[in-house]
Amino acid sequence: EVQLVESGGGLVQPGGSLRLSCAASGFSFSSYWMHWVRQDPGKGLVWVSRINSDGSSISYADSVKGRFTISRDNAKNTLYVQMNSLRAEDTAVYFCAREGSAWSFDSWGQGTLVTVSS
Amino acid sequence: DIQLTQSPSTLSASVGDRVTITCRASQRISSWLAWYQQKPGKAPKLLIYRVSSLESGVPSRFSGSGYGTEFTLTISSLQPDDFATYYCQQYNSFSYTFGQGTKLETK
Repeated sequence: EVQLVESGGGLVQPGGSLRLSCAASGFSFSSYWMHWVRQDPGKGLVWVSRINSDGSSISYADSVKGRFTISRDNAKNTLYVQMNSLRAEDTAVYFCAREGSAWSFDSWGQGTLVTVSS
Repeated sequence: DIQLTQSPSTLSASVGDRVTITCRASQRISSWLAWYQQKPGKAPKLLIYRVSSLESGVPSRFSGSGYGTEFTLTISSLQPDDFATYYCQQYNSFSYTFGQGTKLETK
């Protein structure tokens, strides 16, 4: 069974940093592109970042470019996102997701809440 | 970036109804269009990918269609478990975008 488990969320002050992790199991992690997607409380889904299977190709949404860094450790079956210079508008539930067929997201974690507030 | 606009934002329906949700793109997109179902406090669940391909395990009452800039998700006979929020999603040029969501509620 595919499992994605996020961790690392919490309360952080504006301008602060946080690193989220996503532990993967039940599939060949190193074969899949992986993503971070966030959801503001009570709002819609927003794609954040993507990394290809070996980490050589990365892309970001404009809203996080230069502040967030996605990475992965295929030996540990873990996806990361380092979030710096956090702003109130980064407050959201952050999901990791596996990319499946035709650029869709076929498996999701349960999400971890990041709150940016003083 | 390509924007996706879903309509309606809220849809009231009854069990057994046939419902259709529309997703319009700000410019022509290819076939990389997917649909998701999300229930409160849960992660989204993939229903349809590549416009009309049904994800494994998803009931056949869900179907997708469309071309160019207009796409639809249809539920042929609404079941109690289908009341949720639905999102479309597209991929184009290393960027992924979601529609704003359609909340399907009980009439």
